[in-house]
Amino acid sequence: GENVEQHPSTLSVQEGDSAVIKCTYSDSASNYFPWYKQELGKRPQLIIDIRSNVGEKKDQRIAVTLNKTAKHFSLHITETQPEDSAVYFCAASESSGSARQLTFGSGTQLTVLP
Amino acid sequence: NAGVTQTPKFRVLKTGQSMTLLCAQDMNHEYMYWYRQDPGMGLRLIHYSVGEGTTAKGEVPDGYNVSRLKKQNFLLGLESAAPSQTSVYFCASSGWVAYEQYFGPGTRLTVT
Repeated sequence: GENVEQHPSTLSVQEGDSAVIKCTYSDSASNYFPWYKQELGKRPQLIIDIRSNVGEKKDQRIAVTLNKTAKHFSLHITETQPEDSAVYFCAASESSGSARQLTFGSGTQLTVLP
Repeated sequence: NAGVTQTPKFRVLKTGQSMTLLCAQDMNHEYMYWYRQDPGMGLRLIHYSVGEGTTAKGEVPDGYNVSRLKKQNFLLGLESAAPSQTSVYFCASSGWVAYEQYFGPGTRLTVT
């Protein structure tokens, strides 16, 4: 089955700096890669996703890049703000199948220091 | 439109007791999922359903059973709870066209 590795497990940045979180996956059939943000005690919420036919996607301060050859994808957050502090999870899915199961990374605790 | 709801929010069980967690969605989604979240391990898929009356095993199904008798509901059962099942349980659903999974608020379960 799919295996997703996520690095780093913790990340501290100064407010206004950029943050980058990286994930690798093992199953070359995976073609859907979402990123979720989870605040303490809350549910995970989708912040951005990318399909394998796209190399990069951007939404305001958040961007995701995908390298299918190397089987890795990254989340980039620019101009970080204190409210960006949360745990971020990457995931991968073989979305053409009937189940669309997501395999999640172990998470990155991002702390934005004021 | 409540989205995905879960009951109960919290529960404490003794080893060997049984319980059922209820997940309900009002978005007419075909797919529903049960995950458990443990510290440092992300979310792991327990069971899932691709439609009413269907269920399938995920990554960590042992000790759990599920049923989906109605399209909007997905039940997770623990027949004989064990301390290793202490976790936060999340339900999620997704539609046929879009791949985004919408999560419920979670159930914090402690087994003593």
